[in-house]
Amino acid sequence: SQTIHQWPATLVQPVGSPLSLECTVEGTSNPNLYWYRQAAGRGLQLLFYSVGIGQISSEVPQNLSASRPQDRQFILSSKKLLLSDSGFYLCAWREKTGALTDTQYFGPGTRLTVL
Amino acid sequence: AQSVTQLGSHVSVSEGALVLLRCNYSSSVPPYLFWYVQYPNQGLQLLLKYTSAATLVKGINGFEAEFKKSETSFHLTKPSAHMSDAAEYFCAVTPNFGNEKLTFGTGTRLTIIP
Repeated sequence: SQTIHQWPATLVQPVGSPLSLECTVEGTSNPNLYWYRQAAGRGLQLLFYSVGIGQISSEVPQNLSASRPQDRQFILSSKKLLLSDSGFYLCAWREKTGALTDTQYFGPGTRLTVL
Repeated sequence: AQSVTQLGSHVSVSEGALVLLRCNYSSSVPPYLFWYVQYPNQGLQLLLKYTSAATLVKGINGFEAEFKKSETSFHLTKPSAHMSDAAEYFCAVTPNFGNEKLTFGTGTRLTIIP
């Protein structure tokens, strides 16, 4: 069966420090991968998605970047964190069957607090 | 562009009472619609989805939702609330043509009163 991992689970970082969040998926190959941010009272905002290694689509201009160095690995990064980067970051994956009805499966999330 | 509106950021119901969480969508084409549930500090879990087949969709944990095109709605219901239903619920939409993205509503926090 497929599983998705995110780490770390929680992170407290000072403003101006770098960030690296990692997401890995097991039990599937060539999935679509997604990074979302959830801020209080604002629902989920899609940040990046990837349909393959090295292929990144950015949804919102911001202080963050994403990379996909391996088929089942998706990394969210920042060179200098801002206070507004605080939130709950969720990674998700979806199989590429061509059917739009396929479900996005979410990881457990990373709670980031920027102080 | 697709969008969903969830009316009521907080809903409280008594244990055993009907749960009704509202979702209205905006779309120029018939969309695909989803309800997800999120327990505290966890990821999202799919409850159910509408994919242009039956308009009444049954999901996990006794939840169901009905797609009403005339009302552009996809409200989530459960006949009898249980304490374990306390969570945040998100409605999401994607157009039914080539598109990789889900657009989420702002969520409804459901509280169950003992």
